[in-house]
Amino acid sequence: AQRVTQPEKLLSVFKGAPVELKCNYSYSGSPELFWYVQYSRQRLQLLLRHISRESIKGFTADLNKGETSFHLKKPFAQEEDSAMYYCALKADSWGKLQFGAGTQVVVTP
Amino acid sequence: DGGITQSPKYLFRKEGQNVTLSCEQNLNHDAMYWYRQDPGQGLRLIYYSQIVNDFQKGDIAEGYSVSREKKESFPLTVTSAQKNPTAFYLCASSSSGLGGNIQYFGAGTRLSVL
Repeated sequence: AQRVTQPEKLLSVFKGAPVELKCNYSYSGSPELFWYVQYSRQRLQLLLRHISRESIKGFTADLNKGETSFHLKKPFAQEEDSAMYYCALKADSWGKLQFGAGTQVVVTP
Repeated sequence: DGGITQSPKYLFRKEGQNVTLSCEQNLNHDAMYWYRQDPGQGLRLIYYSQIVNDFQKGDIAEGYSVSREKKESFPLTVTSAQKNPTAFYLCASSSSGLGGNIQYFGAGTRLSVL
């Protein structure tokens, strides 16, 4: 069965400090993974996807098939990074997603 | 203004009442989804539709029903059989072509029980 685990419900970091959000998945096929973000009073939106191999707003995420992980990282957190972050796994060929429970990030000055 | 529109923003349900949440998209997407968002539980899939006149149950379909008569519209009915309907409901859509699998979300409807 597909499963996405985000072990941290809340991550509190200081501005300028590195931040890493953990995501582990369980999937028998070739995984396609995403990070979605929900800023306060805004819609849930895509942050990045592993097949794009890009950096968005300073965030990167590398798919590690050996560890079945897709951790999200940023070297220097900013206050505007405060948001809820969801890791998601494409669950079928049509694009249905399995979401993790989410990690609330709070960046304090 | 393109995108996904959910209405109403807030909805109150009385005991034993069915209520319908609206979701409309003008992105010409084939697939549409309904999620329920509860604190600490992430997004859980209620129903999804990959094409007009077809839909499938998600992980928590009991107490909910949907229809997909038009490509643009995917309304969700919360029936009286849903005993714990208080939640934030999100609608999403995605295309099936190149660049697909990216889901675009509405602003949500918050449902409360009176």
